Amino acid sequence: DQQVKQNSPSLSVQEGRISILNCDYTNSMFDYFLWYKKYPAEGPTFLISISSIKDKNEDGRFTVFLNKSAKHLSLHIVPSQPGDSAVYFCAATLLELNRDDKIIFGKGTRLHILP
Amino acid sequence: DAGVTQSPTHLIKTRGQQVTLRCSPKSGHDTVSWYQQALGQGPQFIFQYYEEEERQRGNFPDRFSGHQFPNYSSELNVNALLLGDSALYLCASSLLYDYTFGSGTRLTVV
Repeated sequence: DQQVKQNSPSLSVQEGRISILNCDYTNSMFDYFLWYKKYPAEGPTFLISISSIKDKNEDGRFTVFLNKSAKHLSLHIVPSQPGDSAVYFCAATLLELNRDDKIIFGKGTRLHILP
Repeated sequence: DAGVTQSPTHLIKTRGQQVTLRCSPKSGHDTVSWYQQALGQGPQFIFQYYEEEERQRGNFPDRFSGHQFPNYSSELNVNALLLGDSALYLCASSLLYDYTFGSGTRLTVV
């Protein structure tokens, strides 16, 4: 049972344009969401996160939007740059007082930024 | 400041053998989680160690076991290796919600 779904295995975007990566989740108990970026031969690196009490979080060129009613989040990258070419993983977790911080990952979306 | 260190980086084993993977957490982190990433898949949670005890476990058989040492470093052991165990094994250390991943160990079972 895939609790975090990234339905687009790959995405190609022209350099300078907006990249939009989508993610859906099924567990309504999730209340903290993260995006990780992964280059080949490296571990995932944290990119940006959002708590369920917010619907938007922005960090430079990266913005994450959360739609709790639709159980959907998206990552916007504007403008897209060649170095953004990587695999992006959406992840979700539960913020509980007992430090239950297991992170559930989607399958990832490979982003290609075209020159 | 060293991040998460995993060893070895690559490993080739034969079916039926046993393997031990090692992880040194980021300085200041006290929790270690292990993930398996098969080709074309996202990382799948194996288990998590905190205070030298397994705190959570994902849907993996008992062939997968682990250990955490007093210095917070950790080992992942896999017994009776199957071809399907071939994957990238990622270690992530954390302190509360500050997660850092290592570069992983690429295990190939032949």
